Amino acid sequence: QKEVEQNSGPLSVPEGAIASLNCTYSDRGSQSFFWYRQYSGKSPELIMFIYSNGDKEDGRFTAQLNKASQYVSLLIRDSQPSDSATYLCAVGGVARNAGNNRKLIWGLGTSLAVNP
Amino acid sequence: DAGITQSPRHKVTETGTPVTLRCHQTENHRYMYWYRQDPGHGLRLIHYSYGVKDTDKGEVSDGYSVSRSKTEDFLLTLESATSSQTSVYFCAISESGGKETQYFGPGTRLLVL
Repeated sequence: QKEVEQNSGPLSVPEGAIASLNCTYSDRGSQSFFWYRQYSGKSPELIMFIYSNGDKEDGRFTAQLNKASQYVSLLIRDSQPSDSATYLCAVGGVARNAGNNRKLIWGLGTSLAVNP
Repeated sequence: DAGITQSPRHKVTETGTPVTLRCHQTENHRYMYWYRQDPGHGLRLIHYSYGVKDTDKGEVSDGYSVSRSKTEDFLLTLESATSSQTSVYFCAISESGGKETQYFGPGTRLLVL
């Protein structure tokens, strides 16, 4: 069973702190990993993706991937109230260019609240 | 949401009526997806398309059908709407090639009475 698991939260952090969001996945063949942010009443929007083990940084966001342990995390530095949202982890790429079968497996999301 | 529109954005309908939702893209992406999102269930794939007239079922396809006659349009039809199909429906697109990133439309809120 392919699964992606996230803590539902809510995760509450003070403004300016580091928020750490975690995601584990079950399929060892997974090759691509995505973090999306979803504000209440809005559609998911891509924050970043990561394919290789290690860290990938983009502004205040850092994605960390550890394939051996089957987890991917998202760190948000200097958290702002505007970061309050639900963060969705998605996993794909068991067969990255497998023609017809390009689907992502989604976690249920972690709710983040950044308190002023 | 750039390049992806969904219509209608809101709809109220009655049980037993057919409903069609439209997703339109201007990105010329090969892959298109229909999801529904419900509290406690997250995003669930209904159907997806990997080209014109090429579609396949997702995990919650019962009661839904799709059609894709042009690259830019992907239609989702609820053949006979039920209250359990009250949900928020999202369309997503993805280009061919190595990147599997999906980009989402603004969503359609459907209420079936």
